Amino acid sequence: AQKVTQAQTEISVVEKEDVTLDCVYETRDTTYYLFWYKQPPSGELVFLIRRNSFDEQNEISGRYSWNFQKSTSSFNFTITASQVVDSAVYFCALSGDRDDKIIFGKGTRLHILP
Amino acid sequence: DTGVSQDPRHKITKRGQNVTFRCDPISEHNRLYWYRQTLGQGPEFLTYFQNEAQLEKSRLLSDRFSAERPKGSFSTLEIQRTEQGDSAMYLCASRADRASEGYTFGSGTRLTVV
Repeated sequence: AQKVTQAQTEISVVEKEDVTLDCVYETRDTTYYLFWYKQPPSGELVFLIRRNSFDEQNEISGRYSWNFQKSTSSFNFTITASQVVDSAVYFCALSGDRDDKIIFGKGTRLHILP
Repeated sequence: DTGVSQDPRHKITKRGQNVTFRCDPISEHNRLYWYRQTLGQGPEFLTYFQNEAQLEKSRLLSDRFSAERPKGSFSTLEIQRTEQGDSAMYLCASRADRASEGYTFGSGTRLTVV
C-alpha cells in the first residue's frame, strides 16, 4: 500500500525565516512520482513540483527547494526567506506505476507571521 | 483551454436531496479523477476514468455516489440522498496518458449539506 506522512500538522514562522516541510512516503513501486501542492485559502490545489523516483537530484526554484532522499524515503520542501504569501496548506503526494492515482498526505498548514 | 473547470463552485443542499457536479478537464487529457477533501484533511481519491471507462472506484464511493464520463470529455459526479457527512470539497483533476505528466486540479465544488 502507498502512504504519505506529513508529521507536521501546523508550523508558524516569522517572515524571512527559512522553513522546511517534511514528507515521508511508503511505496512498493520501483517507479513512482512525488509531488508537492500548495492550497491557499481560495482552495485550489496549485502544483509546485513533480519528481521521478529515478531522479534524486535536489531541485531549486527561486525561494523553493526540494530534497529527495530515497534512502530515507523522504521528499522535504524548504522555503527560504519566507513571505506572508507563502501561508497556505502544503500537501506532499505520491503516485506509482501500478496504481494510477495520487495519494496525498494530510498536509501541513504553514503560517508566515509578519 | 485554461485548465480544469468545475461547476458549481459552491452548492448548499438540504439533507436527502440529490446533487450533481460537473468537471470539464483539459481537452487533450484522457484521464480524469475525482477526489473529496474534508476540513483539515488531504484530498482522498474517489474514482477515475480513462476516456469514458471508469477504471477504479474507492471504497469511499458508496452506492449513493455515481460518476460518469459519457463521451470521454466532461464528467459528472452525482450524490443521491445527500447526508451531512457528504459536506466536503469535491475536486476534479485530469492528466494525459503518459505517467510522467502532471495532474491538473480544478478549483473544486464545495458542498454543504444542511
